[in-house]
Amino acid sequence: QSALTQPASVSGSPGQSITISCTGTSSDVGGYNFVSWYHQYPGKAPKLMIYDVTKRPSGVSDRFFGSKSGNTASLTISGLQAEDEGDYYCNSYTSTRTWVFGGGTKVTVL
Amino acid sequence: EVQLLESGGGLVQPGGSLRLSCAASGFTFSNYVMNWVRQAPGKGLEWVSVISESADATYYADSVKGRFTISRDNSRDTVYLQMNSLRAEDTAVYYCAKKVVMGAGSGLDSWGQGTLVTVSS
Repeated sequence: QSALTQPASVSGSPGQSITISCTGTSSDVGGYNFVSWYHQYPGKAPKLMIYDVTKRPSGVSDRFFGSKSGNTASLTISGLQAEDEGDYYCNSYTSTRTWVFGGGTKVTVL
Repeated sequence: EVQLLESGGGLVQPGGSLRLSCAASGFTFSNYVMNWVRQAPGKGLEWVSVISESADATYYADSVKGRFTISRDNSRDTVYLQMNSLRAEDTAVYYCAKKVVMGAGSGLDSWGQGTLVTVSS
């Protein structure tokens, strides 16, 4: 159950697009279409942004786009806004019927 | 409105035990898989455990296997986490969370406010 690999930080200017990667193995990210993404402000509970690789829950902006290629999933945020700052975590189902999070990525809007 | 309310956290000595509870409302509890996720101070999210809708399947992170037990009472709309042999590294905010859809799939769309567990002498 090794944590999925995410970049520690990603930044962008308002209006730009950024992409956060989430790399695992064929036993987790690559083996199942069960990847989700969460946004968390400090001291707050996480918020679900994407589930099942590409699906957006009701109420989540269509500026958030999820994808996957091989063992790497990605979250793209387009039209970056100040409210998009915070920590982002990916999560994947694994071959041992458990779940694993990524280490988290801090997004900064310049 | 979906609500999840955790309780039972607190200060406990190494080797001690605690039982966390998570009371659910606003949805048909017995239809959803439930999870526990924790976050150590200043650290990232760590998945802890999951329990199936009817409690016939449970799974755990390696870091807690053999020490923690997840259970649920569908008549009380409550999920529990019994934590034994606690260690300093178990210090964290513990969240319960609900799956976004029934059955298979990923995504936890509703989270509690979290309850802090501190393991220290």
